[in-house]
Amino acid sequence: NAGVTQTPKFRILKIGQSMTLQCAQDMNHNYMYWYRQDPGMGLKLIYYSVGAGITDKGEVPNGYNVSRSTTEDFPLRLELAAPSQTSVYFCASSTGWEYEQYFGPGTRLTVT
Amino acid sequence: GENVEQHPSTLSVQEGDSAVIKCTYSDSASNYFPWYKQELGKRPQLIIDIRSNVGEKKDQRIAVTLNKTAKHFSLHITETQPEDSAVYFCAASPKDTGRRALTFGSGTRLQVQP
Repeated sequence: NAGVTQTPKFRILKIGQSMTLQCAQDMNHNYMYWYRQDPGMGLKLIYYSVGAGITDKGEVPNGYNVSRSTTEDFPLRLELAAPSQTSVYFCASSTGWEYEQYFGPGTRLTVT
Repeated sequence: GENVEQHPSTLSVQEGDSAVIKCTYSDSASNYFPWYKQELGKRPQLIIDIRSNVGEKKDQRIAVTLNKTAKHFSLHITETQPEDSAVYFCAASPKDTGRRALTFGSGTRLQVQP
């Protein structure tokens, strides 16, 4: 049982490039989330999903897109990367929205 | 939408002392209040949570209290140890945002001095 996994661990992007952050969980959780955490700051919700085929915006969705074709995977797409997207990105999953969230190890992204 | 305020932003205590972190929330319909601990460079992990039908919950050296009338909840750590040094986040489950997602506080950096 690997829990929540994320790839890559680190990435440097040039302004205007695009990339996909991968997230997978093997706990059969319906709920999955993407957060960003800027240095010394809290967790801001980007997008979340309540099940395969269903996604919804969080607090800071601009510049990002998601899809949820399977229960296990919840990739986050960055289009036209900007320096403001430099952050640590955490994926999380849970059985329901008022239950424990299990976080992945994070992806540290730098846009220069 | 839901606003979760967390205080203090930093807290330094001597080893063996107690530490208290407080959070207030705005949506009275919130009924789930977890606390997460994030060690430096690591992922957040749940340490304790409480639901609105309970006023207090304890797990060894940590406890959480909830005052629904005043809309605040607190994390209490007794007999602090250096390994308690971390950032702690509170969260609430608001109904007024229309999202089925937690709202997190801004975090408290706790430093336990040996």
